Amino acid sequence: QVQLQQWGAGLLKPSETLSLTCGVYGGSFSGYYWTWFRQPPGKGLEWIGQINYNGYIKYNESLKGRVTVSIDTSNSQFSLKLRSVTAADTAVYFCARGRGRLFHLAYMDVWGNGTTVAVSS
Amino acid sequence: QSVLTQPPSISAAPGQKVTFSCSGSSSNIGNDYVSWYQQVPGTAPKLLIYENIKRPSGIPDRFSGSKSGTSATLGITGLQAGDEADYYCGTWDSSLTTWVFGGGTKLTVL
Repeated sequence: QVQLQQWGAGLLKPSETLSLTCGVYGGSFSGYYWTWFRQPPGKGLEWIGQINYNGYIKYNESLKGRVTVSIDTSNSQFSLKLRSVTAADTAVYFCARGRGRLFHLAYMDVWGNGTTVAVSS
Repeated sequence: QSVLTQPPSISAAPGQKVTFSCSGSSSNIGNDYVSWYQQVPGTAPKLLIYENIKRPSGIPDRFSGSKSGTSATLGITGLQAGDEADYYCGTWDSSLTTWVFGGGTKLTVL
């Protein structure tokens, strides 16, 4: 049964770069959309971006310019970098395995446990 | 303000049936499949329904989904205390070219 394990720094200062990695264990890496979401305290879920196994990338336009999603197929990992963070980026960040349809995301069937990231001076 | 509209809260007694609504537009729900997620506070979301009506392996048939036009519905029968959670609908928006969620509905089991 596939599992996603995520890791990265949990406390950042304003203007620093958020960096998270998600490892995929127990399942195939190809054929899926590897995605990142976040959830600010007390709020709903927000899609950040996705990358599929052959490197096709799509970002949320609201974060475009600050966000980079990358993939390491040899180690079955994918990563998120968010530059110039502010307090508004404080959230729980989730990685997830997405299924695709017509070249876009269709649903997410496996999720990581989440990483709490706080941005504070 | 979420692209998909969900009521903020619902409450019901154990054993009852509840339905969650999710309203969108022709560029999202009206144009693609809807999925539903259950999130117990402090944990990751869990897929309940995909492609409007399908249940992943391990999800009991107490959970059901439907879609009509630009709205979708999640139903839970035989409500249990363990169903207390936040429920989110989601789909792809072809105009925004973005995955969108509803704001979530908090279910309280009385």
